[in-house]
Amino acid sequence: LAKTTQPISMDSYEGQEVNITCSHNNIATNDYITWYQQFPSQGPRFIIQGYKTKVTNEVASLFIPADRKSSTLSLPRVSLSDTAVYYCLVGDGTGTASKLTFGTGTRLQVTL
Amino acid sequence: DTGVSQNPRHKITKRGQNVTFRCDPISEHNRLYWYRQTLGQGPEFLTYFQNEAQLEKSRLLSDRFSAERPKGSFSTLEIQRTEQGDSAMYLCASSPSNQQGGAFFGQGTRLTVV
Repeated sequence: LAKTTQPISMDSYEGQEVNITCSHNNIATNDYITWYQQFPSQGPRFIIQGYKTKVTNEVASLFIPADRKSSTLSLPRVSLSDTAVYYCLVGDGTGTASKLTFGTGTRLQVTL
Repeated sequence: DTGVSQNPRHKITKRGQNVTFRCDPISEHNRLYWYRQTLGQGPEFLTYFQNEAQLEKSRLLSDRFSAERPKGSFSTLEIQRTEQGDSAMYLCASSPSNQQGGAFFGQGTRLTVV
């Protein structure tokens, strides 16, 4: 399974755009890139998933360059409630490859 | 059915006792996962089921741990002879077979072994 590397922590002010980049140099052809958000004492929550180029939903955007060796989660105009840990995962979305492998994530702290 | 449900939410037990946790996945999801998470760490994979078949187990899952999903619906995770090192949040997740759209996690069961 492809290993991911992301910054341990980031700080932002409320109202700013936050970009969290994840490196996954060994991503395989069948691997999707998925981001989760986790608040203290809660289970991770799916944010967004993509395979290539750009994906956008009501919460975030995901930018994936052509070589797919990295991806960037973009959170527009963050608020205090976006303070959480964000995890980047890569894995086979279609086959029998199984587990979702979490790293240590990026701890985002949003302040006024 | 609004999501993945885990019971109990909290469990305090004495060292050496057995504990069992239950997970009710989203009904149409045939994959079910168990994870363990300790403070400051990401969730660690324990095991996963495709319907009732347990297809993979982590080396973290010692002989004291056993998981079942007898009818391909709910699942149980049992820990026998608990140790203080078993104290953690135990998370359950479910997903469709292709994982597209991600997996959906429950709120977890926090186990404290005293």
